[in-house]
Amino acid sequence: GAGVSQTPSNKVTEKGKYVELRCDPISGHTALYWYRQSLGQGPEFLIYFQGTGAADDSGLPNDRFFAVRPEGSVSTLKIQRTERGDSAVYLCASSRTSGRVSYNEQFFGPGTRLTVL
Amino acid sequence: GEDVEQSLFLSVREGDSSVINCTYTDSSSTYLYWYKQEPGAGLQLLTYIFSNMDMKQDQRLTVLLNKKDKHLSLRIADTQTGDSAIYFCAESLLYSGAGSYQLTFGKGTKLSVIP
Repeated sequence: GAGVSQTPSNKVTEKGKYVELRCDPISGHTALYWYRQSLGQGPEFLIYFQGTGAADDSGLPNDRFFAVRPEGSVSTLKIQRTERGDSAVYLCASSRTSGRVSYNEQFFGPGTRLTVL
Repeated sequence: GEDVEQSLFLSVREGDSSVINCTYTDSSSTYLYWYKQEPGAGLQLLTYIFSNMDMKQDQRLTVLLNKKDKHLSLRIADTQTGDSAIYFCAESLLYSGAGSYQLTFGKGTKLSVIP
């Protein structure tokens, strides 16, 4: 079946612009995560959705970053007034559920490489 | 706090065993993972171990967990050129309030396999 997809695969923008990054999780997966991977680093957690609600946004670096998942499926990560330091690969992952079960594998998408000039 | 440390590079000859090491700091971890990342590809889960286990074997992969020292290792037997990639150690902590299994990753170990 289809895995997690992310669009666009590459995005180049200018400092100060607004960008939206999209994630299509695996069908039926209720949990969705966004991570950011800077060059030479491991992925860092940004935000977690359970269904439509952002249950944990403790990883968002500042208020320029925002994410939505209005229908509990597709999610959009929005970055306002982009800065050069936002350049990274943004990864999305989904899992069947989370919380009161013993284990849920997170399936990762290929990522969106964001470059801010 | 949460912190996961790994050595950055490892080079082995084809056919030898590779051992990639990781240390973590949070003793309340529930699961520890090994992910593989190849150039231009997403993260692929290789294996995981629950924090109450000390060993797990899966074909060519062996995971050892030393809870006392907070040390995790991944051994790849009979390493092949196709194993060349970056390997990430990760831990997940269950935050019961939010139900989040967010992953905390190390910086990754780049494994180079020499033919």
